[in-house]
Amino acid sequence: QKEVEQDPGPLSVPEGAIVSLNCTYSNSAFQYFMWYRQYSRKGPELLMYTYSSGNKEDGRFTAQVDKSSKYISLFIRDSQPSDSATYLCAMSASSGNTGKLIFGQGTTLQVKP
Amino acid sequence: GAVVSQHPSWVICKSGTSVKIECRSLDFQATTMFWYRQFPKQSLMLMATSNEGSKATYEQGVEKDKFLINHASLTLSTLTVTSAHPEDSSFYICSARDPGLMNTEAFFGQGTRLTVV
Repeated sequence: QKEVEQDPGPLSVPEGAIVSLNCTYSNSAFQYFMWYRQYSRKGPELLMYTYSSGNKEDGRFTAQVDKSSKYISLFIRDSQPSDSATYLCAMSASSGNTGKLIFGQGTTLQVKP
Repeated sequence: GAVVSQHPSWVICKSGTSVKIECRSLDFQATTMFWYRQFPKQSLMLMATSNEGSKATYEQGVEKDKFLINHASLTLSTLTVTSAHPEDSSFYICSARDPGLMNTEAFFGQGTRLTVV
């Protein structure tokens, strides 16, 4: 069993739709949760960062963490064609700069105009 | 925000040759950098943790003699793919965390697409 599971999709939605992306994990030591967006042939860029359980909102993006269920989500409201990319969840047990990130497989999202 | 620069962005090499990829932290000092490998439509797989002034820590299954990592300064780590073969063709990405920041945000380089022919 992988430490982090993420449905690879692809996920196709019409412009303006609400998108829900999810990851599950098995390591209860994970405390730091991130969502990255990756465009084709580029390095990932950080979208959202959350510590422990709870919600965090930033513009059209909302990240949720439920540590009791070992489940995290990223919601995108009013999705735009420019949101089309691969979304990767990532987790870490350590807050220090030496802590390594474990990534999900990534979900490919396509937002159609 | 902090920036990590990776070079080159793409490289084509002949089978049997070696290729060096550089990863630089541009506005912070990184005692630790991470090297990932990504196959098409797959996630980032951590290859090794690069530690400034000491040996790199390799993940299980990664050949340390094939993927040489050097972290000679606080702003530069290099990954050398030695005696490259077509199966080494992949997207290699480095990342670093800024120890001066409160959170654990990791910054990624642009990635290097290696094609071995």
